Amino acid sequence: AQTVTQSQPEMSVQEAETVTLSCTYDTSENNYYLFWYKQPPSRQMILVIRQEAYKQQNATENRFSVNFQKAAKSFSLKISDSQLGDTAMYFCAFMSPNSGGSNYKLTFGKGTLLTVNP
Amino acid sequence: NAGVTQTPKFQVLKTGQSMTLQCAQDMNHEYMSWYRQDPGMGLRLIHYSVGAGITDQGEVPNGYNVSRSTTEDFPLRLLSAAPSQTSVYFCASTQFLASETQYFGPGTRLLVL
Repeated sequence: AQTVTQSQPEMSVQEAETVTLSCTYDTSENNYYLFWYKQPPSRQMILVIRQEAYKQQNATENRFSVNFQKAAKSFSLKISDSQLGDTAMYFCAFMSPNSGGSNYKLTFGKGTLLTVNP
Repeated sequence: NAGVTQTPKFQVLKTGQSMTLQCAQDMNHEYMSWYRQDPGMGLRLIHYSVGAGITDQGEVPNGYNVSRSTTEDFPLRLLSAAPSQTSVYFCASTQFLASETQYFGPGTRLLVL
């Protein structure tokens, strides 16, 4: 079974600075996808960024980028120029379309609560 | 295009009561699923459906039933609510062989007394 580990329950950063959130995962699959979701106080789950395992190039979305290390099974999220609106819980998630019957099951980490301070 | 919608937003139940959490999507997605979110546990899959008429269990299915009579709707039923079902429930959907990204509804917060 796949597992996702986020080792930082809470982090804080000053506005305009850069912060990196860690995520490691365990799988025997070769074809999979990794995601970072943001959950602000409204509780809405918002996709931040996604990475296909077959792509070596790290995904970027504006101020958000990932460092995907497939051999190390690591998938960290870097937030540049942090803004107050980035304050939220961040979840790392794994999906492998080939893994058994629950093809599109997302396996989530327990989350990292990020606070951006003014 | 409303995306994934869920009703109600918040519900209080007494132990033993039944209720249905509604989920609908207007993106013609084949795959729909229900997750529950508990403090310190992340999100866990309850049930999922790969198309109309087809449903299957996730990792925490006990106490919940689902059905999928149309592509758009995927209701989650609690037949006899228990305090352990106090949680936030999310519905999600995605299209196979497309972006592989799941889109979530706004969630339903359920309190069972």
